[in-house]
Amino acid sequence: ETGVTQTPRHLVMGMTNKKSLKCEQHLGHNAMYWYKQSAKKPLELMFVYSLEERVENNSVPSRFSPECPNSSHLFLHLHTLQPEDSALYLCASSQDGAGGGEEQYFGPGTRLTVT
Amino acid sequence: AQSVTQLDSQVPVFEEAPVELRCNYSSSVSVYLFWYVQYPNQGLQLLLKYLSGSTLVKGINGFEAEFNKSQTSFHLRKPSVHISDTAEYFCAVSVLTQGGSEKLVFGKGTKLTVNP
Repeated sequence: ETGVTQTPRHLVMGMTNKKSLKCEQHLGHNAMYWYKQSAKKPLELMFVYSLEERVENNSVPSRFSPECPNSSHLFLHLHTLQPEDSALYLCASSQDGAGGGEEQYFGPGTRLTVT
Repeated sequence: AQSVTQLDSQVPVFEEAPVELRCNYSSSVSVYLFWYVQYPNQGLQLLLKYLSGSTLVKGINGFEAEFNKSQTSFHLRKPSVHISDTAEYFCAVSVLTQGGSEKLVFGKGTKLTVNP
């Protein structure tokens, strides 16, 4: 595997379910990100991790819970979601996340539908 | 707060025609600017970026963009498009958060459709 991978690619869950999204980067980067892409809205940054520490939480509801066990893996744990949480969830990574105009490398996303 | 405005949500063009996708940003400080492309069912891929230096930036797939500080614009251009350029294009500006990390603020995107 190369680049940034995400699993599953598609997920349908009920509002009472608990599920997790997984992201893995094979680029040796130290920073990882979760973004939400909804129809007709700009991409929204949700969380930033740098060296496995959460450095940004962009006012995301607590029903979204991130986890970064090491610099290569990032999870997004989901519970009691709402239908408006249906969206494409994108994971990205960058070298350090510390500024300087770093390129972010994106995974293909997980298409989440909440029923 | 820094923001990005993409003036056109959809741009239809014919194959081999030139195209310009417009992007304006608001920022009171030096900026780093990016254009990303998203093909159907895929993540975002970097087309090009402006950090400093020459205001004309060349990217992949024949795209280029010009940074214009006085007009706070970073328009994307291609002199002759192909069917395969059909995708959604996102302009973004890099900002530093209160936590000291770097994040991208994106525009809403422009869907480019190239017709035969």
